[in-house]
Order: sequence, then structure tokens, then C-alpha cells
Amino acid sequence: DTEVTQTPKHLVMGMTNKKSLKCEQHMGHRAMYWYKQKAKKPPELMFVYSYEKLSINESVPSRFSPECPNSSLLNLHLHALQPEDSALYLCASSLLTSGGDTQYFGPGTRLTVL
Amino acid sequence: AQKITQTQPGMFVQEKEAVTLDCTYDTSDPSYGLFWYKQPSSGEMIFLIYQGSYDQQNATEGRYSLNFQKARKSANLVISASQLGDSAMYFCAMREGRVTGGGNKLTFGTGTQLKVEL
Repeated sequence: DTEVTQTPKHLVMGMTNKKSLKCEQHMGHRAMYWYKQKAKKPPELMFVYSYEKLSINESVPSRFSPECPNSSLLNLHLHALQPEDSALYLCASSLLTSGGDTQYFGPGTRLTVL
Repeated sequence: AQKITQTQPGMFVQEKEAVTLDCTYDTSDPSYGLFWYKQPSSGEMIFLIYQGSYDQQNATEGRYSLNFQKARKSANLVISASQLGDSAMYFCAMREGRVTGGGNKLTFGTGTQLKVEL
């Protein structure tokens, strides 16, 4: 089973709203990732959690706040977003073993900021 | 310099024929991993195939095979017997360096949009 789930599938929010994206995996993976993908572009890494600790932050603005409550869950809290933050947000997870670090992605959340 | 280069923005192939999607990479690290992902219009990134830099043989997974030419730094994806459901964007990606305990950053190419025609 290589399933990563993400909720919600679609989200529309205003610039003053606070919302959260949720990601879940039950594959025993110890690394979880958030990516942002604009239309017709490759995904861009935002954050990496390893063993529930933030290990990589790709200089993401503070209006995006990640959280890893446990090894299966990853959240992305959104606050005071801008219209240019509208994108597909992808979550992924992976093992951390040599030859076994393939990242498996969820279906994504399509975010629109009005 | 681009770490991953996909020179074919769009490709067309007839159903049941084979197609090759090009990918070249640039790294000076002897340890790396190369991945191909498929992204249909629905948005999900689907893992297809992996090749490690020390792997002696080309990777294969069903109808997918990876033509790994280390000296040329190329990792082309070959899809045999194309199906209509293969129509999607295809991304080549690389992990530079050994797998670390802190998670691994993937660098993606710009993608190739494949359209399978009847």
C-alpha cells in the first residue's frame, strides 16, 4: 500500500482567512514533505519533516506554517495568504533507507486565494 | 546550470507504439538517485521507476524501462505499448548524494507532456 491521503481536495480562501491542509500516511514512512506546484511547472519543495522534526525549510514565507503532530500526520497551516499562493499543494512521504527513499505523493489540494 | 533537463515539452505517440522521453542530469556527486513520475491532469504525482547511480542494470517496471547511460548522464524513460491512459505530464527527478536521515530533496525537470493518440 503506497497511499498518501490529503484533505481537502479543493480549498478557496480569502486573504484574511486561516485554514489548514492535512496529509496522512500509514506506510511507516519517517520523512514527510510539502511541495507547491504552479500550473505547468514542476513541484517546488517547501518543507521536509524527518522523524517528526523539521529538517528542511526552503525559505518559505511565515504565512505557511508546517506541523507534524505524529509520524503519520502532516499539516500545513495557512494564514494571510496572497493570491500568488494559489497553487496545487502536494504532500509526499518516504522511507529514509538507501534505495528505498522513493517519495510517494498524495492527490494534492488545489488552493485558490481570493 | 540546470540539474535536470527535459528537452521535449510535448510528445505525441500512437497507441500501442513505444515512446522515449528524454532526461539528462548534471551532478558531480557519485551517489545519486533518478526517478520518473507521471502526473495526469487530476494532479497526483505517480511514481513510475527508480534508478540508483550504482545500479548495474537498467531499471524496469512493467511497461516502463529506464535507459540509464551513466557516461552520458542520461536517464531516458521508455514506455512500451502506449495506452490512452498514458497521456499525462512526465517528470524526471534526481536526488543528489546519499540518502540522509534528514529527508532528501528532489530536483525536478520541467516535464514532458505526452499525448497518446488512436
